[in-house]
Amino acid sequence: SQQGEEDPQALSIQEGENATMNCSYKTSINNLQWYRQNSGRGLVHLILIRSNEREKHSGRLRVTLDTSKKSSSLLITASRAADTASYFCATVPNTGGFKTIFGAGTRLFVKA
Amino acid sequence: GAVVSQHPSWVICKSGTSVKIECRSLDFQATTMFWYRQFPKQSLMLMATSNEGSKATYEQGVEKDKFLINHASLTLSTLTVTSAHPEDSSFYICSASVGQGRRPLHFGNGTRLTVT
Repeated sequence: SQQGEEDPQALSIQEGENATMNCSYKTSINNLQWYRQNSGRGLVHLILIRSNEREKHSGRLRVTLDTSKKSSSLLITASRAADTASYFCATVPNTGGFKTIFGAGTRLFVKA
Repeated sequence: GAVVSQHPSWVICKSGTSVKIECRSLDFQATTMFWYRQFPKQSLMLMATSNEGSKATYEQGVEKDKFLINHASLTLSTLTVTSAHPEDSSFYICSASVGQGRRPLHFGNGTRLTVT
């Protein structure tokens, strides 16, 4: 990817279980965002965490950010079949400009 | 709010022809739009940053003469794939953010291009 890697590349869980996805990046960032993509569609923004924040919650989503390790995690609690999608982390580097760089993504499959 | 509309959603064209993809911000003004390309089961690769009223900024390795970008108004950016080849077949997605700054992106639904 242009910026970093995510793991796992694919994740299959049962409905009701929690799903954790990790993201690593390479450069100093202003913020980190998580997006969701359903197959063959555009991306939907889920949550943004700024570089001076360590944790953020939104509904069933919990995001952490460790700038010293250049990594982030996305936790989806009590997963549902409708959560099946690809999840991407994205960073806005501090190099100037506003471009957003995406990680490789995690494909999540939630079995009903 | 913050809806981005992309058209067409899919297109099939013959080698050597050109294809234009439109990206519109429906309920906000987008000074900057971004064009991405995505191969199956892969991430999004930033192709270029489209700036209203000025030339686009292309990422390294992206041919500006092949992927023509025009951002004629605050609500419309177009990507034209010129002299298309089968290797240009891909999923192209545009995005824009509301206002300036490092804000979340709003995406169109993408265009599936198949070059035969």
